[in-house]
Amino acid sequence: AQSVTQLDSHVSVSEGTPVLLRCNYSSSYSPSLFWYVQHPNKGLQLLLKYTSAATLVKGINGFEAEFKKSETSFHLTKPSAHMSDAAEYFCVVSGNQFYFGTGTSLTVIP
Amino acid sequence: SQTIHQWPATLVQPVGSPLSLECTVEGTSNPNLYWYRQAAGRGLQLLFYSVGIGQISSEVPQNLSASRPQDRQFILSSKKLLLSDSGFYLCAWSLGTGDYEQYFGPGTRLTVT
Repeated sequence: AQSVTQLDSHVSVSEGTPVLLRCNYSSSYSPSLFWYVQHPNKGLQLLLKYTSAATLVKGINGFEAEFKKSETSFHLTKPSAHMSDAAEYFCVVSGNQFYFGTGTSLTVIP
Repeated sequence: SQTIHQWPATLVQPVGSPLSLECTVEGTSNPNLYWYRQAAGRGLQLLFYSVGIGQISSEVPQNLSASRPQDRQFILSSKKLLLSDSGFYLCAWSLGTGDYEQYFGPGTRLTVT
C-alpha cells in the first residue's frame, strides 16, 4: 500500500530565506513521487516528479526535491523564498492511483 | 499542447437540487480522467476515474455519479445535492498510471445552501 505523510501542516518563512517542506512516503515497491502546488481557488500545478532516475530532482520556479530511500523521504526545498511561493503544497505517491498528503500551507513573510 | 477545461467556475445550489459539472480535455486522445473533491482545509479525495468511454470506477460511495460520454469529456452529476457535497471539485487527466503525472483543471467551487 502507498501513503504519504506531510510532516508540517503550516510553514512560515521570511522572503529570501530557504524553504523546506517535508514529506515521508510509504510504498511496497519503488515509488513514483510528485510535488504539486495549489494557489487559492486554483487547480494543482506540477512542480516536479521522481521516477527512479536521479535522486535529486529539479522542478519549476527554483524548487527541487531529494529522494532518500533510506529515510523514505522526499522533501521539497528552495534556496530563497519569494512572495509568489505562498500557496498549498501537496506531496503525492503514485500507485494505481494518486495518494495525496494532507498538504502544507506555506506563508512567506515580507 | 494539452488543455483541460472545467465549468462552471463557481456554483451555488440549494439542497435537493441536481448537479452537473463538466470537464473537457483538448490535445490528447484516450486520457485517463479523474474527479476529485477537496473540502475546506483538507486534501484531495478521489471520487471517480475513467480509463475509457463508458468506463467509470467509483472510489467512494456517495451521492454523486460520473459519466464519460465522449473520449475527452467527463461529467460529474447528482440527482439531489446534500450540504456535505459542498467543496472544490477538480478534474484531472493523465496518459496512464504509475509514473504518469496528472494535469489538473482550474476547479469548480460548489456551495450547497
